[in-house]
Amino acid sequence: AQSVSQHNHHVILSEAASLELGCNYSYGGTVNLFWYVQYPGQHLQLLLKYFSGDPLVKGIKGFEAEFIKSKFSFNLRKPSVQWSDTAEYFCAVPDTGRRALTFGSGTRLQVQP
Amino acid sequence: NAGVTQTPKFRVLKTGQSMTLLCAQDMNHEYMYWYRQDPGMGLRLIHYSVGEGTTAKGEVPDGYNVSRLKKQNFLLGLESAAPSQTSVYFCASSYTPGNEQFFGPGTRLTVL
Repeated sequence: AQSVSQHNHHVILSEAASLELGCNYSYGGTVNLFWYVQYPGQHLQLLLKYFSGDPLVKGIKGFEAEFIKSKFSFNLRKPSVQWSDTAEYFCAVPDTGRRALTFGSGTRLQVQP
Repeated sequence: NAGVTQTPKFRVLKTGQSMTLLCAQDMNHEYMYWYRQDPGMGLRLIHYSVGEGTTAKGEVPDGYNVSRLKKQNFLLGLESAAPSQTSVYFCASSYTPGNEQFFGPGTRLTVL
């Protein structure tokens, strides 16, 4: 079965610091890749997605992610974080049967002003 | 468009009580999902539906039932609530499977 690993469970950064959150998936076939963000007390919102083409994907609010097929990775990056980026971030890929999405366990990002 | 809506937003149950969570979407999506979110475990799929009148089990279906009588609605039922079902429940919908999902605001359920 498909699995998604997010290695960082809790990240604390100061404003203006750079961010990189790791995401690795297990199934090696053609995949769609997603990053979702959940702000405190809110529902999940799509941050960015990769289906095909340029492996460097740009999303909302200055976030980007790079798909590296050989490493089964889809890491999320932002050059300079803001206090408003404090949230939980989830990586997701379609499950093995492509019925739904399999989510990673999430990374809680805390940005200190 | 309201997107995906869920009712209720909060609920407290006693062990053994039953309840139904309602999810509605106005995007004409065929696929609908129920997830539960627990700390450190991400989102886990409970049940899903690929269209009106169809339902299927996900990763953690035990203790839950679902129905999709209308395309826009997906109901999640707990027949006899247990403390282990204390969680935040999210409904989602998508146009195609394995594609972007749109989430509702969630229901926070506490079972005492």
